Amino acid sequence: AQKITQTQPGMFVQEKEAVTLDCTYDTSDQSYGLFWYKQPSSGEMIFLIYQGSYDEQNATEGRYSLNFQKARKSTNLVISASQLGDSAMYFCAMRGIIQGAQKLVFGQGTRLTINP
Amino acid sequence: DTGVSQDPRHKITKRGQNVTFRCDPISEHNRLYWYRQTLGQGPEFLTYFQNEAQLEKSRLLSDRFSAERPKGSFSTLEIQRTEQGDSAMYLCATQAGALDTQYFGPGTRLTVL
Repeated sequence: AQKITQTQPGMFVQEKEAVTLDCTYDTSDQSYGLFWYKQPSSGEMIFLIYQGSYDEQNATEGRYSLNFQKARKSTNLVISASQLGDSAMYFCAMRGIIQGAQKLVFGQGTRLTINP
Repeated sequence: DTGVSQDPRHKITKRGQNVTFRCDPISEHNRLYWYRQTLGQGPEFLTYFQNEAQLEKSRLLSDRFSAERPKGSFSTLEIQRTEQGDSAMYLCATQAGALDTQYFGPGTRLTVL
């Protein structure tokens, strides 16, 4: 079974600072994918960034980057130069790369608040 | 806007009533998922369609829940005899291929009084 753990219920950061959101995972799959989604108060889950288990380089997407440490089974999200619009819930998720349903398993999320 | 739409966005119903939600996927996305998210939790998988075939259902999906995707395009999720415990956000996600990203709709927030 796959499991995602996000240990930070809430984070408070000053605008323009960088922030790191933690995520650890557990799986017996050899191949898997790791995702981060942002959920504003409106409720929609917005895809941010993806890391494949066999990707040798850490994924980056604009102000978002991942600190992927496979041996430690962690994939932390780094947001550089935070903005007020970054305030939201952030969810880490994973899926196996097997045939059939590619369902996502989510963590409990971290609520990020950016202070002006 | 990801292109996945859900209707209605909000639904308030009384216990015991039936409700139906609709999800319209991104065009040509043949994989469709339903998730449920309760307050303070991450989304949990309910069921999965590939084209019109429902290929997997979670144990969370009791016999009061039924989902369809009749022509492999839009999907509906029906809850019969709603209970207060069904109050949650119901999210639909679609995916082009097995290794592609899932894109979510805005969700339907259900409140059962």
